[in-house]
Amino acid sequence: ILNVEQSPQSLHVQEGDSTNFTCSFPSSNFYALHWYRWETAKSPEALFVMTLNGDEKKKGRISATLNTKEGYSYLYIKGSQPEDSATYLCAFERSQGNLIFGKGTKLSVKP
Amino acid sequence: EAGVAQSPRYKIIEKRQSVAFWCNPISGHATLYWYQQILGQGPKLLIQFQNNGVVDDSQLPKDRFSAERLKGVDSTLKIQPAKLEDSAVYLCASSLERSPSGTGSYEQYFGPGTRLTVT
Repeated sequence: ILNVEQSPQSLHVQEGDSTNFTCSFPSSNFYALHWYRWETAKSPEALFVMTLNGDEKKKGRISATLNTKEGYSYLYIKGSQPEDSATYLCAFERSQGNLIFGKGTKLSVKP
Repeated sequence: EAGVAQSPRYKIIEKRQSVAFWCNPISGHATLYWYQQILGQGPKLLIQFQNNGVVDDSQLPKDRFSAERLKGVDSTLKIQPAKLEDSAVYLCASSLERSPSGTGSYEQYFGPGTRLTVT
């Protein structure tokens, strides 16, 4: 059974705080690690796709790192804003090509 | 660029009734996915199409769920008959086709989903 674990399950921060989430995944048959952002009543939006051990990607105030040997990825948000409130999903892509999602981390940013 | 379209957005049915969902992927995307997301869980892949062929349907409950992708573009997902535990958000996604060598991973583009409530 392949498990993708995300922590914490939920997070409440104040505007301006920096925060980070963890995604752990199986280290065998690794092909890629995806991060998605899902706001309520909207479509999940792709943030990053990472394939190489040691990958670091950045988009504005959001960045992510990848360690395929130990099977984890971190997502960082610097200076959280209320519009960052969403559920952040990570997904493990196996060599077969389909995605296995974690349960997500629900972030709430208070103004 | 138009995104992935899904309809309906919401549906409420009674158990044992039938329901169908429709998806129109992004133009040019060969791969189409249907996911089921139950409250508190991550999305779970039900079926993956490459053009109009099925790549993976190992988690599709075939006794009650069916899906097709005629002409390799639009797709429909049907549940017949529905059970209470089918209440979920059904997400459709599409992506570019992986290269024959298997290299390169493409992000999946999701539609807004259909929220199904079975009473």
